[in-house]
Amino acid sequence: TQLLEQSPQFLSIQEGENLTVYCNSSSVFSSLQWYRQEPGEGPVLLVTVVTGGEVKKLKRLTFQFGDARKDSSLHITAAQPGDTGLYLCAGVGVIQGAQKLVFGQGTRLTINP
Amino acid sequence: GAGVSQSPRYKVAKRGQDVALRCDPISGHVSLFWYQQALGQGPEFLTYFQNEAQLDKSGLPSDRFFAERPEGSVSTLKIQRTQQEDSAVYLCASSQNRDPRRRNTEAFFGQGTRLTVV
Repeated sequence: TQLLEQSPQFLSIQEGENLTVYCNSSSVFSSLQWYRQEPGEGPVLLVTVVTGGEVKKLKRLTFQFGDARKDSSLHITAAQPGDTGLYLCAGVGVIQGAQKLVFGQGTRLTINP
Repeated sequence: GAGVSQSPRYKVAKRGQDVALRCDPISGHVSLFWYQQALGQGPEFLTYFQNEAQLDKSGLPSDRFFAERPEGSVSTLKIQRTQQEDSAVYLCASSQNRDPRRRNTEAFFGQGTRLTVV
């Protein structure tokens, strides 16, 4: 059972379109992170959201943490081919008595020129 | 170095062979994580160290998997008698965070070791 569920798992859209990726859980996290991973590389942190309801913007990317700190979304405006990649959400918290950083299964995004 | 370094980058092992994967975390980072990432999937947690103490090994898939961090810096993930299902990218990450109750934990990942068992 996946602790963090991402949707959609695959998304292919045209350049210039908008998109939203969702990350949902039944667990509460102390913070939630979004990573981007290129082929052959490790994940690179994009943003961390900490407070319920928090919204952070990174150029054309908007990240939101749900009020209950169980879910998050990533919205990309006017997507560009350079946005292509694997986007991962990860929750931080004490799970079963130990600090953990647990990942969703990822959303593979393809932006077509 | 400035980042997390993993070696080797690629490893091909014959089924039944033992392998050892190395992780050099960022200097001074207290926490170290190992993850296994299957093709097209998100990373799956394997084990967590705080300094030299292995505080969580609940993600290790079998007793063929063993990790150590004897001096609280470099870590080694060892897989004994490799099987084809062990083929994956093994990622190491480190973070400064010491207190598990702190909320802002930025983990820095290495490039991973791609293990292929033939």
